[in-house]
Amino acid sequence: DTGVSQNPRHKITKRGQNVTFRCDPISEHNRLYWYRQTLGQGPEFLTYFQNEAQLEKSRLLSDRFSAERPKGSFSTLEIQRTEQGDSAMYLCASRSHLRGSSYEQYFGPGTRLTVT
Amino acid sequence: DAKTTQPNSMESNEEEPVHLPCNHSTISGTDYIHWYRQLPSQGPEYVIHGLTSNVNNRMASLAIAEDRKSSTLILHRATLRDAAVYYCILRPANTGNQFYFGTGTSLTVIP
Repeated sequence: DTGVSQNPRHKITKRGQNVTFRCDPISEHNRLYWYRQTLGQGPEFLTYFQNEAQLEKSRLLSDRFSAERPKGSFSTLEIQRTEQGDSAMYLCASRSHLRGSSYEQYFGPGTRLTVT
Repeated sequence: DAKTTQPNSMESNEEEPVHLPCNHSTISGTDYIHWYRQLPSQGPEYVIHGLTSNVNNRMASLAIAEDRKSSTLILHRATLRDAAVYYCILRPANTGNQFYFGTGTSLTVIP
């Protein structure tokens, strides 16, 4: 399977703990996106990378959140001092930068975070 | 953020066509219209996209109003596997970057 993968699929943590999620995009895609989705809502944009450069961050991305894509391949999203309001599905997506691509984003299955 | 308006839910009988509407009255001349769907416990998946002309692919058809203020996703024969939340998204041509999803339409397919 050469789609977008995310690990772990589920994470339960206690309030105040730090968590880190990983996203492996489709190998030739240089654009990578993180979204957050709460129950009954559509995904909300968090941040976006072009290669290793983080080009845009949503105001939803508080100081407790940090994302990296050190070599322009996989990406990590870390949440420090988790709060119950951080409970959500965290989705990663990637897309091709090539001219003529449809701008289609390919989404991973998500990491479901539960903060107790 | 570009705004779209969709009904919260719709029902369809299996093997019948489904028309999912989307209003986007504030669309600009260069915004593309994308449709994604999300099956339970999965990430969203691409369905179709267009700019001005109607579009067809193996999954669905996209009918775009002449003034582009609305569009309709058409599933020609609904199957149980089409039960999902369908999102209509506007993508500005000058960025091609993040999507701004609304709450989408939850489609129920009745056997």
